[in-house]
Amino acid sequence: DIQMTQSPSSVSASIGDRVTITCRARQGISSWLAWYQQKPGKAPNLLIYAASSLQSGVPSRFSGSGSGTDFTLSISSLQPEDFATYYCQQANSFPFTFGPGTKVDIK
Amino acid sequence: EVQLVESGGGLVQPGNSLRLSCAASGFTFSSYNMNWVRQAPGKGLEWLSYISSSSSTIYYADSVKGRFTISRDNAKSALYLQMNSLKAEDTAVYYCARGYSSSSMDVWGQGTTVTVSS
Repeated sequence: DIQMTQSPSSVSASIGDRVTITCRARQGISSWLAWYQQKPGKAPNLLIYAASSLQSGVPSRFSGSGSGTDFTLSISSLQPEDFATYYCQQANSFPFTFGPGTKVDIK
Repeated sequence: EVQLVESGGGLVQPGNSLRLSCAASGFTFSSYNMNWVRQAPGKGLEWLSYISSSSSTIYYADSVKGRFTISRDNAKSALYLQMNSLKAEDTAVYYCARGYSSSSMDVWGQGTTVTVSS
């Protein structure tokens, strides 16, 4: 199984801040990586697929980059609705695996 | 509107069985691969199972292999998860999710809660 790690596990930020979350795969996964946002009591929402492709309807302040083992999700200017938990997911091979999540909260 | 709606969750005793359903609408269900993902209380997301559009390819997480069975009925636009020999650690919210580009998951249901307790 491909283990996924994320850092930081939590981050406190202010409105307008740039936030960067890192996801690392134990082995190379090319660009088979997705990012999801989840708010309390809600289902996850796809933000980024194929490491850097923005899902339709997702604001352009979200961006993804990376390939191989190291990936980043960036939020260029944090908005009130962005406070949530973010997960990466590898889709290179089964079993699919998620990172442990990064909680973004208000400073 | 593209939608997935799970049902079938509830309280069940350890060792018993439960069958979850996921009703799809607003898209051509038979054209999409599907997944089950769960989230234990206060924990992260755990992928459980995948089924291809034609049911020809199926995968499971080790944690449920041999106990859970995924299936689908394309004529009914429905996805299922048969869960046997349930354990306390299976307590979670269970989501069905549509497979999308690069094996991401773009449409999720609202989730159904399974509680395994005596």
